[in-house]
Amino acid sequence: QSVLTQPPSVSGAPGQRVTISCTGSSSNIGAGHDVQWYQQLPGTAPKFLINGYNNRPSGVPDRFSGSKSGTSASLAITGLQAEDEAAYYCQSYDTSLSAYVFGTGTKVTVL
Amino acid sequence: QVQLQESGPGLVKPSQTLSLTCTVSGGSISSDTPTYYWSWIRQPAGKGLEWIGRIYTSGTTKYNPSLKSRVTISADTSRNQFSLRMNSVTAADTAVYYCARYHYGGGAFDIWGQGTMVTVSS
Repeated sequence: QSVLTQPPSVSGAPGQRVTISCTGSSSNIGAGHDVQWYQQLPGTAPKFLINGYNNRPSGVPDRFSGSKSGTSASLAITGLQAEDEAAYYCQSYDTSLSAYVFGTGTKVTVL
Repeated sequence: QVQLQESGPGLVKPSQTLSLTCTVSGGSISSDTPTYYWSWIRQPAGKGLEWIGRIYTSGTTKYNPSLKSRVTISADTSRNQFSLRMNSVTAADTAVYYCARYHYGGGAFDIWGQGTMVTVSS
């Protein structure tokens, strides 16, 4: 039921910058709904990473940042570290579906 | 700090009802300031996340339309718990089920339980 599309995987060397895209439509991101991002380490629950206002919970480094334009959003990770290897999900609200929706998920690999 | 913990049977037979409870500690689900929605989210193995529904402290509920006909979320404020019931389950309902707190002001599912695996099988 994922209406938000993400690339299945992205990779980068330690210290590099990687970005993850989240493509939606006029009924979710394009309708002005905020986009949040979550990190899921293997075998664990998702963890809130950053919200639509670029606010991060305490403990989340400022190497993570979000942006939004039109019907898409992006998560950028700068200074990539081995501990960043995880799955990342975007999340928004869809007016047509009347439901919170998640992205398809992106696996980040640190080379 | 606030913590959430799911509990319930790990195995449910097809056509029967799945019942899970989320116990909240370190905070009250009855508090209306800040505004929190108490939610259920699931994740089939190797797949993405699907929002199931939420309940507010007033008892107001909202469900994913794709599951609405089979789902009921309720709350027991005296026990600081909220629960999920899903009837007529099939193998497609096999997943890890998470309870989570949605912070209306921050616009995010900011606290998650560790998740509980539910398998639908005879």
